[in-house]
Amino acid sequence: AQSVTQPDIHITVSEGASLELRCNYSYGATPYLFWYVQSPGQGLQLLLKYFSGDTLVQGIKGFEAEFKRSQSSFNLRKPSVHWRDAAEYFCAVFAISNFGNEKLTFGTGTRLTIIP
Amino acid sequence: DAGITQSPRHKVTETGTPVTLRCHQTENHRYMYWYRQDPGHGLRLIHYSYGVKDTDKGEVSDGYSVSRSKTEDFLLTLESATSSQTSVYFCAISASTGGGNYGYTFGSGTRLTVV
Repeated sequence: AQSVTQPDIHITVSEGASLELRCNYSYGATPYLFWYVQSPGQGLQLLLKYFSGDTLVQGIKGFEAEFKRSQSSFNLRKPSVHWRDAAEYFCAVFAISNFGNEKLTFGTGTRLTIIP
Repeated sequence: DAGITQSPRHKVTETGTPVTLRCHQTENHRYMYWYRQDPGHGLRLIHYSYGVKDTDKGEVSDGYSVSRSKTEDFLLTLESATSSQTSVYFCAISASTGGGNYGYTFGSGTRLTVV
């Protein structure tokens, strides 16, 4: 069965600093990978996704992520964070179930705090 | 989010009572999902549907049932609510066109408190 690990529960960075959120996955086949962001009291919004091809994926809000098959990782990065980036971030892997239907498996999330 | 609405947004109920949460979509997507979100657990899949009257269990389905009698509505029922079911519940939809967009669209959530 597929699984996703986000090793950092909470990260604090200064506004303007660079950011990297870690994500490791376990999946037997080629994974489809996603990053979602959740602002307080809101639902989840898709930041970016990786299906195939270029391993560096660009997303919304200035985020990017790099797929590294050898490390089973899909880390999220941003060169300079803004106070509005404070939120919770979820990595997810897509898999086909036993019935041939798709579903997403989520990591436990990383909460990002931005300090002035 | 546009195209998907959850009701109610907040609910407080007593232990032992049945509760039904509703997810309504206007996107005509085939797939619909119910997740619960709890601190330290992220989002966990409760049930999902891959078509009208076609549903399957997720990883935390005990104590929950679902129904989908038409494309646009997916109902989640707690047969007899327990305090462990206090959570935020999210509905999601997906077109799943087999090679197209695999992203999900999420509703704004229902905060359920069982007292």
